Amino acid sequence: GAGVSQSPSNKVTEKGKDVELRCDPISGHTALYWYRQSLGQGLEFLIYFQGNSAPDKSGLPSDRFSAERTGGSVSTLTIQRTQQEDSAVYLCASSWGSGTYEQYFGPGTRLTVT
Amino acid sequence: AQTVTQSQPEMSVQEAETVTLSCTYDTSENNYYLFWYKQPPSRQMILVIRQEAYKQQNATENRFSVNFQKAAKSFSLKISDSQLGDTAMYFCALASGGSQGNLIFGKGTKLSVKP
Repeated sequence: GAGVSQSPSNKVTEKGKDVELRCDPISGHTALYWYRQSLGQGLEFLIYFQGNSAPDKSGLPSDRFSAERTGGSVSTLTIQRTQQEDSAVYLCASSWGSGTYEQYFGPGTRLTVT
Repeated sequence: AQTVTQSQPEMSVQEAETVTLSCTYDTSENNYYLFWYKQPPSRQMILVIRQEAYKQQNATENRFSVNFQKAAKSFSLKISDSQLGDTAMYFCALASGGSQGNLIFGKGTKLSVKP
């Protein structure tokens, strides 16, 4: 079946602009995660959605970052007023449930802020 | 706080030989899971192998096996009969059982398999 998809694959934006990154999880997966991968910080957890529960936003680095998940499926990560330090690869993953289940990753969105 | 440490930024191995990647971790949890993920240049993270902390038996998946030393908090990955397609970044990761399961990653080891 189809894996996790993310769009766009690459995004170049000017400092101060807002960007939206999209994630389509595997159908039926109830858990969805966003991670950020940067040279300086490695892989960092950003936010977690599980079903209809309130998301765990504990990993979001600032209030410029937000995410939503509509209908328990597609998720959008929004970064407002982008800064150069936001440049990174943003990875989305989904799984059948939280905790022990294998997380399936998408190919990521490479964001470059100029 | 939970941490994962990979002390080998880069490694290389000849095709068909065996290589071991190191990983140590720290957690106060009793119920947790450990993973090795592979990330080729395509950026797609692929699960290589997983280990439940409550299991004493080391996990194996074809040419991939782990040496899980719970007391030492060590979780190394052994790749046997290395293939050119094994060239990738390898990340060790930890997830707490019973929580939302977000992964804590190490910094990664870049493995190059040479012909």
